[in-house]
Amino acid sequence: DIVMTQSPDSLAVSLGERATVNCKSSQTILYGSNNKPYLSWYQQKPGQPPKLLIYWASARESGVPDRFSGSGSGTSFTLTISSLQPEDVAVYYCQQYYSVPHTFGQGTKLEI
Amino acid sequence: QVHLQESGPGLVKPSETLSLTCTVSGGSLSGYFWTWVRQAPGKGLEWIGYIYSSGSSTYNPSLRSRVTISADTSTNQFSLRLNSVTTEDTAKYYCARRRTSSSGIDSWGQGILVIVSS
Repeated sequence: DIVMTQSPDSLAVSLGERATVNCKSSQTILYGSNNKPYLSWYQQKPGQPPKLLIYWASARESGVPDRFSGSGSGTSFTLTISSLQPEDVAVYYCQQYYSVPHTFGQGTKLEI
Repeated sequence: QVHLQESGPGLVKPSETLSLTCTVSGGSLSGYFWTWVRQAPGKGLEWIGYIYSSGSSTYNPSLRSRVTISADTSTNQFSLRLNSVTTEDTAKYYCARRRTSSSGIDSWGQGILVIVSS
């Protein structure tokens, strides 16, 4: 199995400041035929299902605010929230869908 | 806008079979990957598996011996069966949709809590 390791486990950021969540995969998740990393980022608020924010490591899902961005390559990836808003308080997960099982990171809890 | 809704028993006895159904509205099953993900109370997300609309399914190897995902295009539903459950299978179970083989999971149900207890 590909192990996805997120850091930090929890993070407190002031409103309007930048928040950064990291995700490392234990092996490559770059799909050779299209050169895309098969990595997604999700946001989960309490009592709600996860919400897709980013796929292909950096492609923003439709309707997601542009303060959310994804980057990275190889085995290291980052989710950045450029200016933290109150509604961004949530747990954030990365997931690889390069190989079965499609493993998730352990989650990063983001607080104000 | 596709909508997914899980249904099924909220309580299952140990060693019995957990059976859940996901009803899809606002869209067809055709052309998508229909997925189950679970989340134990206070824990992270665990991918269970998916079925493509053609009927081929792929499972988490850790659950493969106990899990079956099936789909019924006539009712626009897909289902999860997990045999021989233990208390470790207590979780909220989400049904979800992945658009393509190269995209993330873009639509989720609200989830259903299943408790395994005698």
